[in-house]
Amino acid sequence: GAVVSQHPSWVICKSGTSVKIECRSLDFQATTMFWYRQFPKQSLMLMATSNEGSKATYEQGVEKDKFLINHASLTLSTLTVTSAHPEDSSFYICSARLFFSYEQYFGPGTRLTVT
Amino acid sequence: AQKVTQAQTEISVVEKEDVTLDCVYETRDTTYYLFWYKQPPSGELVFLIRRNSFDEQNEISGRYSWNFQKSTSSFNFTITASQVVDSAVYFCALSAVDYKLSFGAGTTVTVRA
Repeated sequence: GAVVSQHPSWVICKSGTSVKIECRSLDFQATTMFWYRQFPKQSLMLMATSNEGSKATYEQGVEKDKFLINHASLTLSTLTVTSAHPEDSSFYICSARLFFSYEQYFGPGTRLTVT
Repeated sequence: AQKVTQAQTEISVVEKEDVTLDCVYETRDTTYYLFWYKQPPSGELVFLIRRNSFDEQNEISGRYSWNFQKSTSSFNFTITASQVVDSAVYFCALSAVDYKLSFGAGTTVTVRA
């Protein structure tokens, strides 16, 4: 149980285009979903927290207009990288949390390359 | 604010040696959870253990063991008789009242045959 999927697994896009990444909790309803970014040989950095039906909360230094997060249902959250640039190339990982649980279940990640 | 420190950036050992990964944390919350994750080259995070702040019992799972000491704010991880498949990046993380996970910088473990 507690499986989280991400789609796509990897994506290559051209500079200036937008890319949408989906995060789904397959067998449970997630109160909260989190989005992380990981640059090569670095740790995971939390980008934003999203709760179903409400606006996402972004961490300091993360551009909310660039990284659009939508959490339309208890099983789906999407991250859209708008007007992508090469410096946005990274590994994006989502996680989902059960209500009143400290544990987060992680998706397999999406590798974004912007050319 | 939470902080997790993994002072060891890289550890290289020969197969069958024991490896201990250090993790020191900071938090003002009295209720919190500590985690260890493994990240192999594929990138997917693998959950290893969760420990809450009220449970200081050490834990052993196969070749893995964890030592939690609140007095020193440490949650160390030992791999006994390491194997090549243990080669990965290992992250220590902390979650407190806001449910957000703060990760340490990670320790890259390389096990040579």
